[in-house]
Amino acid sequence: DQQVKQNSPSLSVQEGRISILNCDYTNSMFDYFLWYKKYPAEGPTFLISISSIKDKNEDGRFTVFLNKSAKHLSLHIVPSQPGDSAVYFCAVFSGNTGKLIFGQGTTLQVKP
Amino acid sequence: NAGVTQTPKFRILKIGQSMTLQCTQDMNHNYMYWYRQDPGMGLKLIYYSVGAGITDKGEVPNGYNVSRSTTEDFPLRLELAAPSQTSVYFCASARDRREKLFFGSGTQLSVL
Repeated sequence: DQQVKQNSPSLSVQEGRISILNCDYTNSMFDYFLWYKKYPAEGPTFLISISSIKDKNEDGRFTVFLNKSAKHLSLHIVPSQPGDSAVYFCAVFSGNTGKLIFGQGTTLQVKP
Repeated sequence: NAGVTQTPKFRILKIGQSMTLQCTQDMNHNYMYWYRQDPGMGLKLIYYSVGAGITDKGEVPNGYNVSRSTTEDFPLRLELAAPSQTSVYFCASARDRREKLFFGSGTQLSVL
């Protein structure tokens, strides 16, 4: 029973366009949400986060949107660059267990 | 600034062998974690520690053991390796449980 789902295994976009990565979760008690980026042969690195008291958080080209009623999280990258090509994981913090739960990941390819 | 260091990067084991995956961090973080990542799957928590001398099980602890004798080190022990333990293993640390995780570069383990 997956509590965090990234339903798109892969996404391909053209350089300069917007990339939108999606994440759904099941438990309305989750209150802190993060995105990590992973390049091949490296560990994941933190990208951006959002607390449940907000619905948007921006950091440069990266914006995370949170829709609590839909239990949906999205990451927007504008404009997309070839160096953004990586696997993106969403993660949610469970206050009950005190642990992070990761989605399956979405592989983003940005074509020049 | 080394961050989180994992060794080895690659290892091939025969069924029934044992080994220890090493993890050390130099950020004085209290929280440390071991995850495994299988193809097309998210990161699954194996074990975690909230400080020296304190460890607890994650989602998939069977077949593994950990210890935390110092703040810096959090080794993961595989006893009686099985093919199901073929995976990429990541160690991570965090200042606090709600803080972002810093990951090592991973250990690719194959059990044949």
